[in-house]
Order: sequence, then structure tokens, then C-alpha cells
Amino acid sequence: GNSVTQMEGPVTLSEEAFLTINCTYTATGYPSLFWYVQYPGEGLQLLLKATKADDKGSNKGFEATYRKETTSFHLEKGSVQVSDSAVYFCALSVRGSQGNLIFGKGTKLSVKP
Amino acid sequence: GAGVSQTPSNKVTEKGKYVELRCDPISGHTALYWYRQSLGQGPEFLIYFQGTGAADDSGLPNDRFFAVRPEGSVSTLKIQRTERGDSAVYLCASSFMIAGGTDTQYFGPGTRLTVL
Repeated sequence: GNSVTQMEGPVTLSEEAFLTINCTYTATGYPSLFWYVQYPGEGLQLLLKATKADDKGSNKGFEATYRKETTSFHLEKGSVQVSDSAVYFCALSVRGSQGNLIFGKGTKLSVKP
Repeated sequence: GAGVSQTPSNKVTEKGKYVELRCDPISGHTALYWYRQSLGQGPEFLIYFQGTGAADDSGLPNDRFFAVRPEGSVSTLKIQRTERGDSAVYLCASSFMIAGGTDTQYFGPGTRLTVL
């Protein structure tokens, strides 16, 4: 079946530190991969996505590369800010399906000044 | 423009009662999804509508759960004989349809359901 596994949190970093949140997936077919973010008190927002192998999604300084050989889509940011504190969800959608997303459990990030 | 809206934002009910949760998608989005998010978990798919019809209801946990979208816009998720295990945040998302699937899903703020 289709599933997403992401590193457990919480993750606590100091401002300007480097961030990596690991995400691996299992999928039949050819998935599209996503990172969603949930800021405190807000709804889920799409952060970035990649639809085929070797694509790199990027937004707000965050990046993730679709690695088919390692079935991974790790989220990275070179220098985190306090405003990046949120819960991050990795997700997949199997292309050709009806598009429902399969999410990981989420990783809570806290950035301290 | 307006995003996805959900009402109520919070709902507290007693075990055994009936509840309705409403979702108002982004105008023009033909695809609509319901998800359920339990504490400490990622959202789990419940049901997908394409237009007025439920194209995939494989995520509904049992026959106490039902959803409708009679005019292809607003959707209502209905839960009969609620149980304490139904307590969760219920999320709605909508998107355009594109060739080969659906476009980016936009999520509403959710309805937090608490069953006492």
C-alpha cells in the first residue's frame, strides 16, 4: 500500500540553524510528493511539491528533492527563523488516482531566538 | 479571494448524538475532500467528491459517516450516533481538476469535534 514515514519530533533548533526533516515513502505507481505546513492556529498550507523524480520543490527558503532511488523527499532549510515554528507534514498523491493525499504523522519544529 | 471555510469551528456533543459539519469550498473548485486528523497524527482521507457525486468513499470508517454535496459546491459531513473515538479535527479541502488528476488542494481551518 501507499504510505509516508517522516521523522518524529519535536525538533528544537536555534535561529539560523540548518534544518532537515526526513521523509520516505512507499507507493504503487508514480506519486507526486508534497510538504504541507501548519502554523499555530492556522490551517494546512502547501509549502512545496514535486511531481516527478529529480524535481526540486522550493518555497520560502525551503527545498526538497524527489529521490526515486531512495524513495525520499527530505525537507531542508539553510537558516531557520522563529517564524518557521510549525508542524510540517510530508504527503503523497498517486498520480492517475483521484488525488487524495496520504500524510505522514507530522514533525513539530520549534525555533528559539 | 475567499478560501475554504468550515463551520462550526468547534463542536461539542454527547455520545450518541447526530452532528453535521459544513464545508464551503473555493468557488469553481470541482474536487472536494474530507479528511480527519486525530491528535498527534497526520490527516487521514475520508471521502472525495467530483462535482455532486462521491467518487471515492473508501476512507469512511463505518456506516455512521455519510457526506453529501447536492449542488456540487457546499458539502456536509454527517455523523450519526457519535462515539468518543470520533473526536478529532475534520478537515475539508478543495481543488481544480487537471489532466491526469487534481491540482493543489487548499485546506479549510477545520472543525474540532469533541464527543463527551
